[in-house]
Amino acid sequence: AQSVTQLDSQVPVFEEAPVELRCNYSSSVSVYLFWYVQYPNQGLQLLLKYLSGSTLVKGINGFEAEFNKSQTSFHLRKPSVHISDTAEYFCAVSDRRTGNQFYFGTGTSLTVIP
Amino acid sequence: KAGVTQTPRYLIKTRGQQVTLSCSPISGHRSVSWYQQTPGQGLQFLFEYFSETQRNKGNFPGRFSGRQFSNSRSEMNVSTLELGDSALYLCASSLETTSGYNEQFFGPGTRLTVL
Repeated sequence: AQSVTQLDSQVPVFEEAPVELRCNYSSSVSVYLFWYVQYPNQGLQLLLKYLSGSTLVKGINGFEAEFNKSQTSFHLRKPSVHISDTAEYFCAVSDRRTGNQFYFGTGTSLTVIP
Repeated sequence: KAGVTQTPRYLIKTRGQQVTLSCSPISGHRSVSWYQQTPGQGLQFLFEYFSETQRNKGNFPGRFSGRQFSNSRSEMNVSTLELGDSALYLCASSLETTSGYNEQFFGPGTRLTVL
């Protein structure tokens, strides 16, 4: 089974500063990679996904992530955060061989400080 | 198109009781997955149903069960509730594609509190 590690449980950052949320997974063989965002009292919303092709993936709200196969990482970045980016962020892996079974990290709580 | 809906949104039960949660997927989606979300464990996969059959199962005890109906609506049941079952239960639906990738769309969740 896959495992996903989000190294930072909480990340405080000042408004308009850049941010990187880290994600590592256990195996780079045949995986799809995702970042989801969860706002309070809501479900998860897909930010971006890596299926194949270019290793730099751009998502919604100005976020992007880079797939690094050799380091089995998929870190999420934003060059300038906004107050509205305060939320919980989850990295997830789907094994292509098992289809819909997603493996999630424990989440990173991003707090943007005005 | 309406999103994934889950009912009820909030539920309070006592230890030993059982509970049933409901999930209505996006129209046309035949796959429904269930996850348990807790502060310490993050999201953990419970099971996935496709065309009324359980296709994948996570590592949860038999007290957790589910089913899917012919209209793709799904229910999950937890029997003999324990305090540790307090969590946000999320349902996700997806549309099967030939590409092998099926994007999951999440509902708002049911927050279960066990007293």
